[in-house]
Amino acid sequence: DAGITQSPRHKVTETGTPVTLRCHQTENHRYMYWYRQDPGHGLRLIHYSYGVKDTDKGEVSDGYSVSRSKTEDFLLTLESATSSQTSVYFCAIKETGGTYNEQFFGPGTRLTVL
Amino acid sequence: DQQVKQNSPSLSVQEGRISILNCDYTNSMFDYFLWYKKYPAEGPTFLISISSIKDKNEDGRFTVFLNKSAKHLSLHIVPSQPGDSAVYFCAAERNNDMRFGAGTRLTVKP
Repeated sequence: DAGITQSPRHKVTETGTPVTLRCHQTENHRYMYWYRQDPGHGLRLIHYSYGVKDTDKGEVSDGYSVSRSKTEDFLLTLESATSSQTSVYFCAIKETGGTYNEQFFGPGTRLTVL
Repeated sequence: DQQVKQNSPSLSVQEGRISILNCDYTNSMFDYFLWYKKYPAEGPTFLISISSIKDKNEDGRFTVFLNKSAKHLSLHIVPSQPGDSAVYFCAAERNNDMRFGAGTRLTVKP
């Protein structure tokens, strides 16, 4: 258990409204990631963070912004949600220092944009 | 641009037999490969990984094989158990950029 929680777990919103999803970790990991999962695409990286205030874009970053003001929290914001952003969003952390640098995932947030 | 592909959307095997899940990639710069297992309504769970400098890694019933010349990755599960029924994703990473395949749904029949 990598101590990752996501909130909310489910959200329904309307097109054009802002939405913020929160990822919280309890184990002080440096790296945090946001992915979306859609049928036929697997998981796709949106943004990631390699430290407080240090973030970078992933494969599908358009329409999303992120912030990390504390080590334990990584926020994903949709400034103006669109129906194409209906998806399941997963946060992940990376444990480093061992033999393998695998990522561990949170339980996911199901977002529906009407 | 799908750099990691799992061409079989589903696979069904009998309990006790071997399950072989396949994955192909196009970017020879990937340096780390992983398999994740996912149950419905849960996040993916890390299963096993392999560095690009190796060709095999084994962990209990799970073995991952890497063929760099063919840009091919496979996961062997033996013996398969009904609890292994899930969606399996392969992934490849370089410099924090991890790309996933679309997944293969494995069903293990009792």
